[in-house]
Amino acid sequence: GQQVMQIPQYQHVQEGEDFTTYCNSSTTLSNIQWYKQRPGGHPVFLIQLVKSGEVKKQKRLTFQFGEAKKNSSLHITATQTTDVGTYFCAPGTAGNTGKLIFGQGTTLQVKP
Amino acid sequence: GAVVSQHPSWVICKSGTSVKIECRSLDFQATTMFWYRQFPKQSLMLMATSNEGSKATYEQGVEKDKFLINHASLTLSTLTVTSAHPEDSSFYICSASLRQESYGYTFGSGTRLTVV
Repeated sequence: GQQVMQIPQYQHVQEGEDFTTYCNSSTTLSNIQWYKQRPGGHPVFLIQLVKSGEVKKQKRLTFQFGEAKKNSSLHITATQTTDVGTYFCAPGTAGNTGKLIFGQGTTLQVKP
Repeated sequence: GAVVSQHPSWVICKSGTSVKIECRSLDFQATTMFWYRQFPKQSLMLMATSNEGSKATYEQGVEKDKFLINHASLTLSTLTVTSAHPEDSSFYICSASLRQESYGYTFGSGTRLTVV
């Protein structure tokens, strides 16, 4: 499977501040998926990006897929304590039939 | 939706014994399931791909005789940790895909294994 690098590894923010995590690949990706894992929990699917330059929003979360389909980002506006967790990106395969290899993840801590 | 059920949630076993973890797709058929291992504060490491009706495909460095995978039906895959040792203590998670873009991969709730 394709490998991706995720930065930063950790991020501590004050509640209300914004947060961004980046996912980078050396190769062109078919699609990129984002997951959130709460402490002690399991990964939960957030979104899948397929098209070059695609931008998708889910309330305060904005997901972007780069024009070259080699990088992606997740931006959270005005973080809340409920945003705490680890955010993983993972390159997907066509039709979601192949294995999913996760990036290292970015752990977000939000101080109230 | 797609629901994956994993049991048990946690298990404590003695060194040298074997532990079986079950992963079920409740509302869809999964010809392929995936098993991951996660150490504290680390990412999920893919261990193997479980294929219904055939042998599992193991990732490099994963001992297939140590981690036995059986996928006998379209809704059930099992992972057996054989002759467990303390270093096998970890969080094991299974997943499956509905193979639709809007659903991604669905994960079980995980099994925390402690070998004493």
